[in-house]
Amino acid sequence: GAVVSQHPSWVICKSGTSVKIECRSLDFQATTMFWYRQFPKQSLMLMATSNEGSKATYEQGVEKDKFLINHASLTLSTLTVTSAHPEDSSFYICSAETGDLYGYTFGSGTRLTVV
Amino acid sequence: GNSVTQMEGPVTLSEEAFLTINCTYTATGYPSLFWYVQYPGEGLQLLLKATKADDKGSNKGFEATYRKETTSFHLEKGSVQVSDSAVYFCALTSQGGSEKLVFGKGTKLTVNP
Repeated sequence: GAVVSQHPSWVICKSGTSVKIECRSLDFQATTMFWYRQFPKQSLMLMATSNEGSKATYEQGVEKDKFLINHASLTLSTLTVTSAHPEDSSFYICSAETGDLYGYTFGSGTRLTVV
Repeated sequence: GNSVTQMEGPVTLSEEAFLTINCTYTATGYPSLFWYVQYPGEGLQLLLKATKADDKGSNKGFEATYRKETTSFHLEKGSVQVSDSAVYFCALTSQGGSEKLVFGKGTKLTVNP
């Protein structure tokens, strides 16, 4: 089945630094990927839709300059949290549309802690 | 807009009990409906899906039927196990592809031995 690999699974960084999270489709090409943020005990909030070769589409209220998304190839999308602050600490999950009966497949998530 | 209303938890059951997690939706057109499961510290896994009215999705003993007349997609399992303890999310997309998933708030299930 379609597999999405997300790295790192967890990261701790200092306030003011930037962190990059990678999302790779291992056995299929992902034209469209999605980035979600999940707060403790809450549902997933869609942050942006990433399209290969074009600019990402951000949801209302998401700062595009803070959460940089790059989808340079059909198998890789990256989310960079720039100038991270403690309030950016969260669980980030990527997802890719598989285009078949699987529908959408998710990465295992990245726990970001900003200290 | 599209939305999903999901039964609030947490839900605590004993092993071998019957499970129902209610899910209703609001959407234009003919959405596809999904149930995802999230185990602690992990991403989401597709549990089952249904793409048109009266379809029944099933997997690992879980079932859900796409009921257009009641705009519902309730998740059921006849006999839960401790290993089913997780958070369950109901979700929909308005079209077949390249459309974002809209999630319910999730229901945490705990199954005790």
